[in-house]
Amino acid sequence: DIQMTQSPPSLSASLGDKVTITCQASQNINTYIGWYQQKPGKAPRQVIRYTSTLVSGTPSRFSGSGSGRDYSFSISNVESEDIATYYCLQYNDLSWTFGGGTKLELK
Amino acid sequence: QVQLKESGPGLVQPSQTLSLTCTVSGLSLTSNNVHWVRQPPGKGLEWVGVMWSGGTTDFNSALKSRLSISRDISESQVFLKMNSLQTEDTAIYFCTRNSYGGLLDYWGQGVMVTVSS
Repeated sequence: DIQMTQSPPSLSASLGDKVTITCQASQNINTYIGWYQQKPGKAPRQVIRYTSTLVSGTPSRFSGSGSGRDYSFSISNVESEDIATYYCLQYNDLSWTFGGGTKLELK
Repeated sequence: QVQLKESGPGLVQPSQTLSLTCTVSGLSLTSNNVHWVRQPPGKGLEWVGVMWSGGTTDFNSALKSRLSISRDISESQVFLKMNSLQTEDTAIYFCTRNSYGGLLDYWGQGVMVTVSS
């Protein structure tokens, strides 16, 4: 299976900051990566698919980029509602893989 | 509207077999893929496996030897069976719909499964 190395495991930000999370795949995943937001006690919600396409309802302050093995996810102007744990998910293979997660907290 | 709901036992003894059901509504299993994802308490998400719309399955290679996924199209249900359960299998188990690309857009509420004697 493709391994997804996500960093950092946790992130502390002030409101209005820009934050960036990265995921590195163990092999080329051809931009088949999505990003998910999960709040405590809730199911995950996809915010980005296919590297950089915002899912309906995702604010424009969210963005994604990358190619090959290396991908990033950013939130510009962090708002309080963005406080959550974020996961990448590769779907290049028939066997999908999540990254380890990044917990975004308020400084 | 699209809904998914997991059901199954909350407690399973070590070495026993877990059987979970995902009952869907508002969608056809022959045109939608249904994935299983689990999350141990306080830990990250783990992709478990998938029932593709065509009826084939794929699994997390770490779980493959213990796992099977099947479906009953007429009942709109997808089944997960995992044998030889260990305490590390304690988790919330989610089923989720994937209609195209990598979009997992509808999720069940999840079912907590505890492996303990």
